[in-house]
Amino acid sequence: ETGVTQTPRHLVMGMTNKKSLKCEQHLGHNAMYWYKQSAKKPLELMFVYNFKEQTENNSVPSRFSPECPNSSHLFLHLHTLQPEDSALYLCASSPSEGGGETQYFGPGTRLLVL
Amino acid sequence: GQNIDQPTEMTATEGAIVQINCTYQTSGFNGLFWYQQHAGEAPTFLSYNVLDGLEEKGRFSSFLSRSKGYSYLLLKELQMKDSASYLCAVRDRDYKLSFGAGTTVTVRA
Repeated sequence: ETGVTQTPRHLVMGMTNKKSLKCEQHLGHNAMYWYKQSAKKPLELMFVYNFKEQTENNSVPSRFSPECPNSSHLFLHLHTLQPEDSALYLCASSPSEGGGETQYFGPGTRLLVL
Repeated sequence: GQNIDQPTEMTATEGAIVQINCTYQTSGFNGLFWYQQHAGEAPTFLSYNVLDGLEEKGRFSSFLSRSKGYSYLLLKELQMKDSASYLCAVRDRDYKLSFGAGTTVTVRA
């Protein structure tokens, strides 16, 4: 248990569906991250929020839309996804962006796009 | 972009030692992390190196040579529960983390 929770743990959706992934951290951190992990590939940073402000969008397609209403919650809204978007989506948090501390990861949401 | 290389798979026997190498080329350097990830679970922090040398934590040790762009994770007295993927990650000058693809270690009885 790392103090970072994600729901749902598994999600199957069609290409025309709209769904949202949720992440919550109970560590009092101010920075939150979304990563994509595909099989046999490195984790890819998607978005970074620091004190609720988006500080990084790593050239992510607009069919992925993040939302950070407060420092404890992070959402990833999904719309019109493609089969190649099937992957494990990991949320992480750290005390702040740019600090010397490690990131703490949630268990991920396993997404399958049909 | 950043370039981080580590072997894809390694297999070792229970009780043995395994060394996982990681080489990197990044824009600046602000530390190297090793994470352990069991199948279907979150990556968990193992070690952090920012200066050259060896950091020891129980059965796990991590080494860094900044001039060579090289690190290794040493797992001693292997146990079955050590079967997992081990991720090398480097933080660049902007404090962004870049990950290697991970090394899957299989421990056999």
